[in-house]
Amino acid sequence: EPEVTQTPSHQVTQMGQEVILRCVPISNHLYFYWYRQILGQKVEFLVSFYNNEISEKSEIFDDQFSVERPDGSNFTLKIRSTKLEDSAMYFCASRPTVEGSETQYFGPGTRLLVL
Amino acid sequence: DQQVKQNSPSLSVQEGRISILNCDYTNSMFDYFLWYKKYPAEGPTFLISISSIKDKNEDGRFTVFLNKSAKHLSLHIVPSQPGDSAVYFCAASARGYGNKLVFGAGTILRVKS
Repeated sequence: EPEVTQTPSHQVTQMGQEVILRCVPISNHLYFYWYRQILGQKVEFLVSFYNNEISEKSEIFDDQFSVERPDGSNFTLKIRSTKLEDSAMYFCASRPTVEGSETQYFGPGTRLLVL
Repeated sequence: DQQVKQNSPSLSVQEGRISILNCDYTNSMFDYFLWYKKYPAEGPTFLISISSIKDKNEDGRFTVFLNKSAKHLSLHIVPSQPGDSAVYFCAASARGYGNKLVFGAGTILRVKS
């Protein structure tokens, strides 16, 4: 069964450093999302992406964040200058393009720790 | 932001019995609801969903009920198995909001054998 994959599974970085989190969505899905879950808190939406552009972003997704689809398979989340409060699990999700199918399928996540 | 609420942090059920997990929402624009199961350090795994045009959807041992007037949905697991022990998240989306998912806080289900 097709799956969303994410790399790396864990990332430790120093405050102020740039990180890139990578995702390979399910092939033939064209809607992509990033969510995060800070320890002990809810899973929260960051950004959605469709047709090579951001379709919606949350208040969390400020200028330090960016997303890109550099090729036909990868979808990346970049944090330019990490802060301590960026420490969280980051989940990528993708959704089929079939009208009426609203289900999003999630990857296993990247655990980001900012020191 | 409390648009989706799961008021029970945990639930303990005997193997073979029914598990009922509840979820309430406040935003009447939500038109699609999902349940995800999650183990620690893993991503949410999709279980079952329901559109707002239905009031029930069934898939094997899992049934989701939607009461739009009460803005309430529930997930029934029958019979419960020890492997069902996990965190269960309710999530909702609305076409008018770009289909982003709004999650509840989750309910920890423990199925005792």
